[in-house]
Amino acid sequence: DVKVTQSSRYLVKRTGEKVFLECVQDMDHENMFWYRQDPGLGLRLIYFSYDVKMKEKGDIPEGYSVSREKKERFSLILESASTNQTSMYLCASVPGQVTGANVLTFGAGSRLTVL
Amino acid sequence: GQNIDQPTEMTATEGAIVQINCTYQTSGFNGLFWYQQHAGEAPTFLSYNVLDGLEEKGRFSSFLSRSKGYSYLLLKELQMKDSASYLCAVRDSNYQLIWGAGTKLIIKP
Repeated sequence: DVKVTQSSRYLVKRTGEKVFLECVQDMDHENMFWYRQDPGLGLRLIYFSYDVKMKEKGDIPEGYSVSREKKERFSLILESASTNQTSMYLCASVPGQVTGANVLTFGAGSRLTVL
Repeated sequence: GQNIDQPTEMTATEGAIVQINCTYQTSGFNGLFWYQQHAGEAPTFLSYNVLDGLEEKGRFSSFLSRSKGYSYLLLKELQMKDSASYLCAVRDSNYQLIWGAGTKLIIKP
């Protein structure tokens, strides 16, 4: 089974801190995604990457950046955390060219609280 | 704009049947997904529909009507472990996934 691992399940940070969320997948998937999940809202795409060193903005990239130096690892960076970035962050991956039937595999999530 | 609607919460009884509806308005259509998400866990894939009709997979079935922009997930012989959120998502013409807010299903004994 594909495994997507998010290193931190729970984080508490202060406003203005730099935050790194790490995601590693073990099945050589080309495509990786970062979503945030908030109550009453659908998953919202922050950034995605279709190859090493490649990145594309999603629907809500403001306040975030990403890094993909190795195929298996996709990092989400909050340069200066703000309280409105308190959320659940989900990483996902999918193999090959994204087609209709490709199924995302998700990590268990990182719940970030910014005080 | 693109939109996915599903009920916020539903309650059902163990052993019964429940139908969770999803309606969508998207720019194009390249398939509809249902995922299950237990509290504090990763969403996991349940079903994929791209053609009209019913797809059955054990206790779970998913139906799609593209002309109506409508899908439902049918869960039979409900078990306590089915208590979870159920997420509907549509892949649009750019192959981007548009997600509903999810339906929290509560199963009572």
